[in-house]
Amino acid sequence: DTAVSQTPKYLVTQMGNDKSIKCEQNLGHDTMYWYKQDSKKFLKIMFSYNNKELIINETVPNRFSPKSPDKAHLNLHINSLELGDSAVYFCASSHEANYGYTFGSGTRLTVV
Amino acid sequence: QKEVEQNSGPLSVPEGAIASLNCTYSDRGSQSFFWYRQYSGKSPELIMFIYSNGDKEDGRFTAQLNKASQYVSLLIRDSQPSDSATYLCAPDFGNEKLTFGTGTRLTIIP
Repeated sequence: DTAVSQTPKYLVTQMGNDKSIKCEQNLGHDTMYWYKQDSKKFLKIMFSYNNKELIINETVPNRFSPKSPDKAHLNLHINSLELGDSAVYFCASSHEANYGYTFGSGTRLTVV
Repeated sequence: QKEVEQNSGPLSVPEGAIASLNCTYSDRGSQSFFWYRQYSGKSPELIMFIYSNGDKEDGRFTAQLNKASQYVSLLIRDSQPSDSATYLCAPDFGNEKLTFGTGTRLTIIP
């Protein structure tokens, strides 16, 4: 009964490859997010969707493209991976931001 | 740019003592404040939230909010080794997202 599930948990890939991370929540939340946590543990928002509509698109390279087929799913596709993309990517969901988030378990992406 | 500041630590506290974690934020209009705990290699977990000035207690945890001073803190009483983690402060600046501090790494010494 995982509330927010992400796959895969680990991803090791070579520079230049394209990869996707998937996220699903069964909490009935309207809003989903992608956050990136760097090696210094700083959590920075990338995107958020509310009921399939993009509402936040921070300064993120165009190589990153989110997609939300329905309000329970939010995927992240990354083209032409670079070394600097190595990080832990967290999906999260919430009823609204001021209710707090529930995070997925994270995807540790390593680009070699 | 709205900001959240936390002392990165590490903060070392003896077992059984009170751990005090502090956070300051830049936006006077903030209404909601969240504390997350993150164990090494795990995802952040919501442990406390506070909306009003004053104290809010939940078990061994107390959140304290002072909006005039733009300051929120988390007290952990009777600290246990299992409390060793990074604690993230996250105000809601009303811009449809949470902005996280860099976190304070807490170590409880047996």
